[in-house]
Parts: sequence; C-alpha cells; structure tokens
Amino acid sequence: AQSVTQLDSQVPVFEEAPVELRCNYSSSVSVYLFWYVQYPNQGLQLLLKYLSGSTLVKGINGFEAEFNKSQTSFHLRKPSVHISDTAEYFCAVSVAGKLIFGQGTTLQVKP
Amino acid sequence: DTAVSQTPKYLVTQMGNDKSIKCEQNLGHDTMYWYKQDSKKFLKIMFSYNNKELIINETVPNRFSPKSPDKAHLNLHINSLELGDSAVYFCASSRATPDTQYFGPGTRLTVL
Repeated sequence: AQSVTQLDSQVPVFEEAPVELRCNYSSSVSVYLFWYVQYPNQGLQLLLKYLSGSTLVKGINGFEAEFNKSQTSFHLRKPSVHISDTAEYFCAVSVAGKLIFGQGTTLQVKP
Repeated sequence: DTAVSQTPKYLVTQMGNDKSIKCEQNLGHDTMYWYKQDSKKFLKIMFSYNNKELIINETVPNRFSPKSPDKAHLNLHINSLELGDSAVYFCASSRATPDTQYFGPGTRLTVL
C-alpha cells in the first residue's frame, strides 16, 4: 500500500537559518508528490508539486524540493527561513485520485 | 473571490445530534473531496465526488453521508454524532487527478 513518512514531527530552527523537512514515500505506481503548508487555524495551501519532468521543483515562498526516485524521497528545503514560515507542513502522494498524507512536520522558527 | 468555502467554520453540538457541513467551490472543478483531520493533525480522505458521482468512499461509517447537488457543491451530513467525530473537516476540489487539490478553511466540529 502507498504511504508517506515524514521523518521529523517537529523541527525547531532559528530565523534566517536553512531548513530541510524530510519526506519518504512508498508507491508501486507512478508517483505524484505534493507539499502543503497549514498555518494555524487555516486550510492547506499548496507549496509545490512534482508530477513529472525536472526533479528539482520550486514552489512559493522560496521553498524547493527534490524528487529522488532511488531513495524514494521528496525533501523540502528553504535556504533561509522567516518567523512567518512557522506552520505545519504536510507531504502527500496522489494515488488513485486521493491524497495520502504524511503525519506532518511542525516547523518552529525562533527569533 | 473565495475559491473553496465551507460553512460553518465552527460547530459545537451534543452527542446523538445530526449536523451538516456545506462546501462550495467557484473554481469550475469537476472533483470535490472531504478530508478529516484528527486531534493529532493527521489528514485522511473520506469521500470524493466527480461530477456529482461518488468515486471514493474510504470505509467511513454509514452515519456520514455526502451529497452533491451539483458539481460546485459537496455537503456532508452526519447522523447520530459521536465523541470520536470531533475533528476538523476539510473540503477540497481539483480540476482532475493528480492535479492540485484546493482546500477550504475547514470546519471544526466539537461533539460534547
């Protein structure tokens, strides 16, 4: 069965430092991967997606992710975080018309 | 110009009651979804409709009944509410799969 594992439940980081949020997936079919962000008391907003093509995907707010088929990973990175990046981040894989989400990673940016 | 809207935003009710959550999208999408986010923030799909037709039903109790009067609306009716139904319910829509799903702001349901 397809699944998504986010390896860190919480990631504390200081403002202006780089960050990487890790995501591994298992899928036996074509892989379509997404990162969503959820700010407190809000819905989910798409950060970026990989459907095909270049394995380095750039998204909104300076985030990027790299699809690595051999390592079945889709890690999210940002070179310099801001306080406003504090939120819950979800990795997801699209399978048979539905999104299967990871457990989420709480990014806590400290001043 | 809200893309996906849900009403109400908050819903507090007693066990055993029946309640409905409404969802509307103005994106012209053909597919709509309901997801449940539990207290640990885990998100799981419940239902999916394509052009008013149910295409995904993820082993959700029969007390939950989605209804799509047209492709822009997908409502969720819950009978005989239980404590375990307390969660945030998100509606979403997409043009197709595996395209981006656009989420509503969520409805926080609290069952007392």
